[in-house]
Parts: sequence; C-alpha cells; structure tokens
Amino acid sequence: AQSVAQPEDQVNVAEGNPLTVKCTYSVSGNPYLFWYVQYPNRGLQFLLKYITGDNLVKGSYGFEAEFNKSQTSFHLKKPSALVSDSALYFCAVRDTDTGFQKLVFGTGTRLLVSP
Amino acid sequence: GAVVSQHPSRVICKSGTSVKIECRSLDFQATTMFWYRQFPKKSLMLMATSNEGSKATYEQGVEKDKFLINHASLTLSTLTVTSAHPEDSSFYICSATLPSGSRNEQFFGPGTRLTVL
Repeated sequence: AQSVAQPEDQVNVAEGNPLTVKCTYSVSGNPYLFWYVQYPNRGLQFLLKYITGDNLVKGSYGFEAEFNKSQTSFHLKKPSALVSDSALYFCAVRDTDTGFQKLVFGTGTRLLVSP
Repeated sequence: GAVVSQHPSRVICKSGTSVKIECRSLDFQATTMFWYRQFPKKSLMLMATSNEGSKATYEQGVEKDKFLINHASLTLSTLTVTSAHPEDSSFYICSATLPSGSRNEQFFGPGTRLTVL
C-alpha cells in the first residue's frame, strides 16, 4: 500500500528565510507525488506535482519540491518565506492500487512564518 | 479552470436531522469525485469515491447508510449525512478529477463545516 510521512507537525521559520517541509513516501511502482496547501476553513489548493521528468518541480507561489528517489523523499521548499505562506501543508501520493486516482495524504505540517 | 464548489459552506443542524452537501465541478466534467472528512488539526480521511452513474465506493469503516452519496451527473455529487449526531460534526471536503489520464491532480472544493447540536 502507498503511504506518505510528514515527520514534522509544525515548522517555524522567519520571514525571508528559506523553508523546507519534509515528506517521505512509500510506493509500489512509480510514484505520483503531490503537495497541497490548506488555509484555515478552506479546501486544499494544489501547489505542485511530480509524475516524471526533472527531479526539481516548480509550482505555485514560488514553491518547489525535489524528488529524490534514493531517499524516497519529496521535500517542499521555498527560497524566501512570506508571512502569508503560513498554512497547513499536505504531501500526497497517488494510490496506484486503484483505478480511481485516489490520493493518500500525509498527516500535514503546519508552517508558521513569523514577521 | 478546474473549479470545484461546495454548498453550503457552513451548516448547523439538530441531532437526528439529515443534511445534504453539494459538490459541483463548475467548468469541467468530473467522472470521479471524492468525499473527505477532516477532523480538527488532522489530515483528510477519504470517505468514499463517487463515480457518475454508479454506486459510490466507501472506505473501510465508513457507514454507507449514514453517509449517502449520489453522483447523478458529471458535474454534481451530493453527500447526505442521515440522522446526524454531534460526533458527525466535522469539515467535509469534496474533490474532483479530470477525465482519466488527464493531469492526475484532484481539485478540491472549499469545504463544508457541519455542526450538529
């Protein structure tokens, strides 16, 4: 079965500093990996995905993620954090055991960017 | 493009009543929609997968008679919480995918906050 792990419940970073939100995955076959962001009382917004190709994936709002097959990781990064980036971030992997494009989500990491 | 809406955004009901939540894909046809439940400060729990014109596929532990899902058209899926109880209070989120093989990501609705008194 597919799974993702987000080892940090919360990440604190000062505005202007680089940020990293960690994600590791376990899949059978090729991984389809996603990052989503959730603001309070809102649904999830798509940030970026890795299906194939370059290991460095660029997404929305200046975020990027690096796919590392040997470390089975897909960490989310941003060179310079903004206070408005404060939100809940979810890593997800497509469940290839089903034909319905089902996603398996990590437990989420709360990002807090201080002014 | 790929906008998903939910209605209502917030609902408060009395225990024992039924509540219907609508999920619509506004600018695309969604053959598959998903219903999630999110507890406070927790991840999303997939409740069921809804395919247009067929019965929903429920995840283990989700009561299909309590959480009725209808996917009557390619742009609308509904979740009805029957005989609601306070423990059903939660944030319910739907998502939709583009036709199979396209882009792979899910597009999420803004969520519905259900409070059962």
